[in-house]
Amino acid sequence: NAGVTQTPKFRILKIGQSMTLQCTQDMNHNYMYWYRQDPGMGLKLIYYSVGAGITDKGEVPNGYNVSRSTTEDFPLRLELAAPSQTSVYFCASSYLETGETYEQYFGPGTRLTVT
Amino acid sequence: DAKTTQPPSMDCAEGRAANLPCNHSTISGNEYVYWYRQIHSQGPQYIIHGLKNNETNEMASLIITEDRKSSTLILPHATLRDTAVYYCIVRASIQGAQKLVFGQGTRLTINP
Repeated sequence: NAGVTQTPKFRILKIGQSMTLQCTQDMNHNYMYWYRQDPGMGLKLIYYSVGAGITDKGEVPNGYNVSRSTTEDFPLRLELAAPSQTSVYFCASSYLETGETYEQYFGPGTRLTVT
Repeated sequence: DAKTTQPPSMDCAEGRAANLPCNHSTISGNEYVYWYRQIHSQGPQYIIHGLKNNETNEMASLIITEDRKSSTLILPHATLRDTAVYYCIVRASIQGAQKLVFGQGTRLTINP
């Protein structure tokens, strides 16, 4: 298993541009998450999904959109990039089994700079 | 979810046990204690979690006080590869989507 993969690894955007951060997991996990991490800080939850077709907002959803058309993929969309969105973005997944949700598996991250 | 307090940094000698404390004085009866770590800008890695009893796995041990207001993560024989930021997280239930709330964690440096 490749686990959780994210593309691209790095990206520089100009203010107002848009882009999609890709996230794929091959572990058949039903839950997926997007976090952002600003320098020297902990991670903050942007959006999460409990299964295909179901998404919900996390702590800091403004300026982002997500979709979950398949179990494997959970892309994060930035429509109008702003300098405040400069951050490292992590995707994660977890699974539910016999009523218990297990630990989250994280991808390697996408480092985004908006100038 | 309950708030946690961790020291911002700690040092430990290689080969010794690293003991990382976490205070969670407002923890509720149904809230679990989770530990994750993040090695130099990589994605966080799950270490261990517990509710009341002490827990041990191949990576670490988790000691939770009887009143559950604090806990300690123990890395029994720290190596240089254990240098990382360690996050203590408290959250309710282990069912459903885990909306983890990360603080700033403890930056653990293992010295040779």
